[in-house]
Amino acid sequence: EAQVTQNPRYLITVTGKKLTVTCSQNMNHEYMSWYRQDPGLGLRQIYYSMNVEVTDKGDVPEGYKVSRKEKRNFPLILESPSPNQTSLYFCASSFLANTGELFFGEGSRLTVL
Amino acid sequence: AQKITQTQPGMFVQEKEAVTLDCTYDTSDPSYGLFWYKQPSSGEMIFLIYQGSYDQQNATEGRYSLNFQKARKSANLVISASQLGDSAMYFCAMREGIFSNQFYFGTGTSLTVIP
Repeated sequence: EAQVTQNPRYLITVTGKKLTVTCSQNMNHEYMSWYRQDPGLGLRQIYYSMNVEVTDKGDVPEGYKVSRKEKRNFPLILESPSPNQTSLYFCASSFLANTGELFFGEGSRLTVL
Repeated sequence: AQKITQTQPGMFVQEKEAVTLDCTYDTSDPSYGLFWYKQPSSGEMIFLIYQGSYDQQNATEGRYSLNFQKARKSANLVISASQLGDSAMYFCAMREGIFSNQFYFGTGTSLTVIP
């Protein structure tokens, strides 16, 4: 089954404790990206990657890191989480060509205390 | 300036009626794609419909159609014959440029279908 898989789905952590949210897709998509969703603000792009070893900042990259060492994986790293990073996070992927429709993971709800 | 603007935070529609969800966009790139996604209360993001900037005809997918007015930079979603299962959050999005791959989302419209 074609899918984008994120883990963990739910996480409660404390300020400053490094965490990684993994994202993996099995559709051979070149493009992968991370978004955060906050009430009243919609989805905002954090980082995106157009291929292996190619990453770019989105609109809200501060406090986040990413890496793209393999085509299928695109982890999101919070080196020192803060309460303002409490949010719902989505990973998404797509082909670069065609309609470029994004396929989303199920979301990861992160709470930073 | 906002790239995607959705001015209707909440909408109500009677079951079986049609409803239009508004979306305007801002770009100077001649090549772009416009998307609508549905997010039910369960949280997943469901792709509904796509319109390319060079497409001559409005996109349609079943009960969904996209009213694309390029000069006005609007891409309104029309849902015909609303069903209770259409109650959800709806997001308009734009992929700017063929290869730029910056995606921009609006703030969403919450649609409630009334029996």
